[in-house]
Amino acid sequence: DAKTTQPPSMDCAEGRAANLPCNHSTISGNEYVYWYRQIHSQGPQYIIHGLKNNETNEMASLIITEDRKSSTLILPHATLRDTAVYYCIVRVRGGTSYGKLTFGQGTILTVHP
Amino acid sequence: SAVISQKPSRDICQRGTSLTIQCQVDSQVTMMFWYRQQPGQSLTLIATANQGSEATYESGFVIDKFPISRPNLTFSTLTVSNMSPEDSSIYLCSGGTPTDYGYTFGSGTRLTVV
Repeated sequence: DAKTTQPPSMDCAEGRAANLPCNHSTISGNEYVYWYRQIHSQGPQYIIHGLKNNETNEMASLIITEDRKSSTLILPHATLRDTAVYYCIVRVRGGTSYGKLTFGQGTILTVHP
Repeated sequence: SAVISQKPSRDICQRGTSLTIQCQVDSQVTMMFWYRQQPGQSLTLIATANQGSEATYESGFVIDKFPISRPNLTFSTLTVSNMSPEDSSIYLCSGGTPTDYGYTFGSGTRLTVV
């Protein structure tokens, strides 16, 4: 699976949009971009995923550049409960890699009042 | 999404002993995985638990130290054997199918070896 690069930490004011970047310049054509987050003392939680189109769900939006070498996770109205470590992961969906997830160091997002 | 119950949630163990961690999924899942998360670190994949066959271990992890069972599509165990203080970590299981929107994780087992 392709490697990802994320900033180690970011801050955001409560109520504002949080934009978390991720670089995945070696992504392959059949690899999806996944985002998970881990709130302190809990297991990781799936947020969103995409292949090449922008995606939106009730939690977040995912913007993938046209060349697919980078993406941005957007939390439109961050709350204190969004303070967590956010992981950007690329992997093949299905296929012979057994679908395993390889976690990098992630971005620690701190939402301030 | 599947819901995973993991137990125990925490334990304090003596060095040289073994601990078995259990994960029960509320629905059948194709894939189950075991991770270790050392203090202040990210998650490291230990192995993929294969139903009806031997687990597939990642580099640096061996079956003698971390034996895994997966008797059916809803249950798996990880044993941490002959523990030392360096094994003090959070251990997490995860499950799903490769085409799922996202895998579900257990809440983790916080292990302290003294």
